[in-house]
Amino acid sequence: SAVISQKPSRDICQRGTSLTIQCQVDSQVTMMFWYRQQPGQSLTLIATANQGSEATYESGFVIDKFPISRPNLTFSTLTVSNMSPEDSSIYLCSVTSGRALREQFFGPGTRLTVL
Amino acid sequence: KQEVTQIPAALSVPEGENLVLNCSFTDSAIYNLQWFRQDPGKGLTSLLLIQSSQREQTSGRLNASLDKSSGRSTLYIAASQPGDSATYLCAVGRSNSGYALNFGKGTSLLVTP
Repeated sequence: SAVISQKPSRDICQRGTSLTIQCQVDSQVTMMFWYRQQPGQSLTLIATANQGSEATYESGFVIDKFPISRPNLTFSTLTVSNMSPEDSSIYLCSVTSGRALREQFFGPGTRLTVL
Repeated sequence: KQEVTQIPAALSVPEGENLVLNCSFTDSAIYNLQWFRQDPGKGLTSLLLIQSSQREQTSGRLNASLDKSSGRSTLYIAASQPGDSATYLCAVGRSNSGYALNFGKGTSLLVTP
């Protein structure tokens, strides 16, 4: 399985600011995803991070609010822009491992609180 | 749109009991199904992965079954222990859109000594 790290692990931010979350994988992976877990809720997919091209966003999520970069096969960033208290969530990146199995592994998450 | 439902939402059992967690999904066109464990304040740990062509997978005291045609999966935990206390998430892998996962809301399990 892949080992995934995220930075920062947590942060407290002011309304109107932006935060960039980093996701680093210890091996090259094909698919990387970003999910959000709002308080008391399950995980919701934000977007698929595509290497060398624009991310693919789920309905309800837009690039201006959640710009994503993926410069190579081991690294991705998610920015939460112009934050409001409703953005307070845990943000998790995940990767798939095994070409056929497509098993997903998750990073430890970034706990974001917006005041 | 794929909807994933988990029942019960919460469960409390005494140590040593066998238990079953249920997961249902609305679209049977899935690639795979994964069960995860989430401990408070931590990320997700993958427990079992079942391919769409498989009926079950086993790992230690855990057994997961899949009935794709009826849109159901169960996670069986044998001889539960206090260390099993966590939230268990069922996630269905899409057959398209890059194999991303659709998650249920989870079952919060408490195993009491």
